[in-house]
Amino acid sequence: KAGVTQTPRYLIKTRGQQVTLSCSPISGHRSVSWYQQTPGQGLQFLFEYFSETQRNKGNFPGRFSGRQFSNSRSEMNVSTLELGDSALYLCASRSRVGNTEAFFGQGTRLTVV
Amino acid sequence: AQSVTQPDIHITVSEGASLELRCNYSYGATPYLFWYVQSPGQGLQLLLKYFSGDTLVQGIKGFEAEFKRSQSSFNLRKPSVHWSDAAEYFCAVGASSNTGKLIFGQGTTLQVKP
Repeated sequence: KAGVTQTPRYLIKTRGQQVTLSCSPISGHRSVSWYQQTPGQGLQFLFEYFSETQRNKGNFPGRFSGRQFSNSRSEMNVSTLELGDSALYLCASRSRVGNTEAFFGQGTRLTVV
Repeated sequence: AQSVTQPDIHITVSEGASLELRCNYSYGATPYLFWYVQSPGQGLQLLLKYFSGDTLVQGIKGFEAEFKRSQSSFNLRKPSVHWSDAAEYFCAVGASSNTGKLIFGQGTTLQVKP
């Protein structure tokens, strides 16, 4: 069974631009969560989707948004990029909502210049 | 509020020596606890989890962890470390029973000396 796939793996963007990251969960998994990882703040929860509905959102500004499609694939979007948005963005896939194992993708490394 | 503390930012052990990584959590109910490992530039790999039952849980790669409710701890152990175990280790707690949100500790970087 294929794992969690995140694309692209690396991105370089300029301040003020917007970016869209993609996550394809494990086949059959319907829950997708996103995390931001930075050296200073560590791993922080962004949002969680299940069956195309956002179930939970972390403490991030409105520039960060996401969605989930009917095939469970998820995208997150960051608008008006700031230097501080440079991070590794990780997607996690679960078979259902709640405390089951979360399987993580390799992440997308975003650099804002 | 739930939180996770990993007191050791960096640990160095010799290859073949035993390892214990500490994790303390703050959670109001029965916690759901996880240990993940991350190699440089990679995602997180689940080592083991605790949901209920036996407080000593076995994971992959020869790791185990013990849940101690009285100490609010979930320490990760390995009897003999291999050079390939060098990585960053994260302890996490599930935020609640009806969400997949994880709260992570700051991580412990393990260096293995030959």
